[in-house]
Amino acid sequence: DAGVIQSPRHEVTEMGQEVTLRCKPISGHNSLFWYRQTMMRGLELLIYFNNNVPIDDSGMPEDRFSAKMPNASFSTLKIQPSEPRDSAVYFCASKQGAHSPLHFGNGTRLTVT
Amino acid sequence: EDQVTQSPEALRLQEGESSSLNCSYTVSGLRGLFWYRQDPGKGPEFLFTLYSAGEEKEKERLKATLTKKESFLHITAPKPEDSATYLCAVPSNDYKLSFGAGTTVTVRA
Repeated sequence: DAGVIQSPRHEVTEMGQEVTLRCKPISGHNSLFWYRQTMMRGLELLIYFNNNVPIDDSGMPEDRFSAKMPNASFSTLKIQPSEPRDSAVYFCASKQGAHSPLHFGNGTRLTVT
Repeated sequence: EDQVTQSPEALRLQEGESSSLNCSYTVSGLRGLFWYRQDPGKGPEFLFTLYSAGEEKEKERLKATLTKKESFLHITAPKPEDSATYLCAVPSNDYKLSFGAGTTVTVRA
């Protein structure tokens, strides 16, 4: 089991540029989550998918953020245009079933200058 | 609104010095409480799930307990490798987890 795989591990970009973060969930897991972690706000849920369908995107901060899950093994989180306040660590997590624990990837550290 | 509060924010221990971390929560209808460990540069790693008051779970030097309003994570005779940030979380519904801010534990040899 390779776990949840995220890429890239680090991303440094300039304000205004488009950023795409990628995630491969654990095979067989039917729920996928995108979280953002900062020192000030801790772990915040951005969006989650169930069976590839977005269920709750109320945590997406602005229209600049969008997420897709075209199939059960791949998801993207896109920020366009990026801003310095988007700098954070973005985590993808997956799980199988309502009461099972979340399994996290090792995150993408995004720095927007 | 569901709330999860962890204390203390940071804990510095000498190797072998046992201690406890607290997680207090307010949630309408507890669907379980989760403990995670997070190492620098990594994602949170699942430790335990507790579902009902009085339940206890153990893993090596860690023991988690649950009451109706809070959970404790006891670290017995900690070692330097137990240094990490410990997060607790409660589900707001079947899918949404609300995380506490975490307790950063540092164990000195």
